[in-house]
Amino acid sequence: ILNVEQSPQSLHVQEGDSTNFTCSFPSSNFYALHWYRWETAKSPEALFVMTLNGDEKKKGRISATLNTKEGYSYLYIKGSQPEDSATYLCASYSGGSNYKLTFGKGTLLTVNP
Amino acid sequence: NAGVTQTPKFQVLKTGQSMTLQCAQDMNHNSMYWYRQDPGMGLRLIYYSASEGTTDKGEVPNGYNVSRLNKREFSLRLESAAPSQTSVYFCASSPGRGLYEQYFGPGTRLTVT
Repeated sequence: ILNVEQSPQSLHVQEGDSTNFTCSFPSSNFYALHWYRWETAKSPEALFVMTLNGDEKKKGRISATLNTKEGYSYLYIKGSQPEDSATYLCASYSGGSNYKLTFGKGTLLTVNP
Repeated sequence: NAGVTQTPKFQVLKTGQSMTLQCAQDMNHNSMYWYRQDPGMGLRLIYYSASEGTTDKGEVPNGYNVSRLNKREFSLRLESAAPSQTSVYFCASSPGRGLYEQYFGPGTRLTVT
């Protein structure tokens, strides 16, 4: 994988459903994987920064896991609420002298009441 | 504590006009970034500044210049605006390089006619 890829591109769920989506990233020279939440008409807000293989982070009903060997991360939302509706971005940092985060195109989640 | 602020929020330019987008952060962060966001393209890095006094090109630097005026402020200049520069521009800051989450400003919506 050369770029950061997210799937699915969009997702509609009902209130109360649990859901998850995927971020795939280059596993070579991996340093960190970021997750951001981006609500319409607002700016992205950081959810997690993950660095270690097997890492798992949790914030309320949202959690994320990381597999650096195979180059993927999952974001889980338990009991989705309408206020969870947003685009969820992941970004990979491969270290070195550059400061560049490579962002995926995001997964647009819509939670219907 | 305002976080990251950007001015203006909206701007319409004619082709060939110039303008400067301003960004300031009050979190004492070392690193600052300029991104553009276009439909279907995700966030793309234009320029970044690892620390006061340094700037480097990102993924899409052509047609832009930047100035890291001091630790707080990082401006983006369009010398001769083109319709292809119609986009939403986000400034972000972080304590350091890619192991730290980035904090985003509210964005500037720029239209070039």
